[in-house]
Amino acid sequence: AQSVTQPDIHITVSEGASLELRCNYSYGATPYLFWYVQSPGQGLQLLLKYFSGDTLVQGIKGFEAEFKRSQSSFNLRKPSVHWSDAAEYFCAVGASMLRGATNKLIFGTGTLLAVQP
Amino acid sequence: GAVVSQHPSWVICKSGTSVKIECRSLDFQATTMFWYRQFPKQSLMLMATSNEGSKATYEQGVEKDKFLINHASLTLSTLTVTSAHPEDSSFYICSARDLHIGAGELFFGEGSRLTVL
Repeated sequence: AQSVTQPDIHITVSEGASLELRCNYSYGATPYLFWYVQSPGQGLQLLLKYFSGDTLVQGIKGFEAEFKRSQSSFNLRKPSVHWSDAAEYFCAVGASMLRGATNKLIFGTGTLLAVQP
Repeated sequence: GAVVSQHPSWVICKSGTSVKIECRSLDFQATTMFWYRQFPKQSLMLMATSNEGSKATYEQGVEKDKFLINHASLTLSTLTVTSAHPEDSSFYICSARDLHIGAGELFFGEGSRLTVL
């Protein structure tokens, strides 16, 4: 069965410091991987996604993630964090993105990011 | 990007009443919509897949008679929480897939917070 693990429940970084949020997945076939960000009381915004090809994926707001099949990981990174990045981040895995097929997403438990001035 | 809108954003109701939450795709057609539930400080759990013109598919453990889903058009899915109880209080989020954008990227609504007194 598919599953997603985000080992870090809560992370605090200083503004301007680098950031890495961990995500490990379990899936039998080629996974479709996503990172979403959620501000308090809001819906989810897609940061980036990996379907195939280049394993280093660039997203919005200066985020990137690297797919490492050998480690079953899809960690999110940002070289310099801004105060506005404080939010909750969710990693998700999808079974299929083919037209006509449902693509349920399985979410990790989330990592809450706090940014210190 | 495509926009998914939910209404209401928040609702407070008495125990025993029913509450309807709407999910609309504003500028695209969505044959499939997904309903998620999120408890405080927890991840999103998929409740059901809403299919236009047919019955919804519920995840294991989700009561279909408790959470009625209707997907009557290509732009609207509704979730009705019947005979709501305090344990149904949660943040409900819908998502929809736009087949014409980015290999069927999922877009999320802003969420609807239900509080049952």
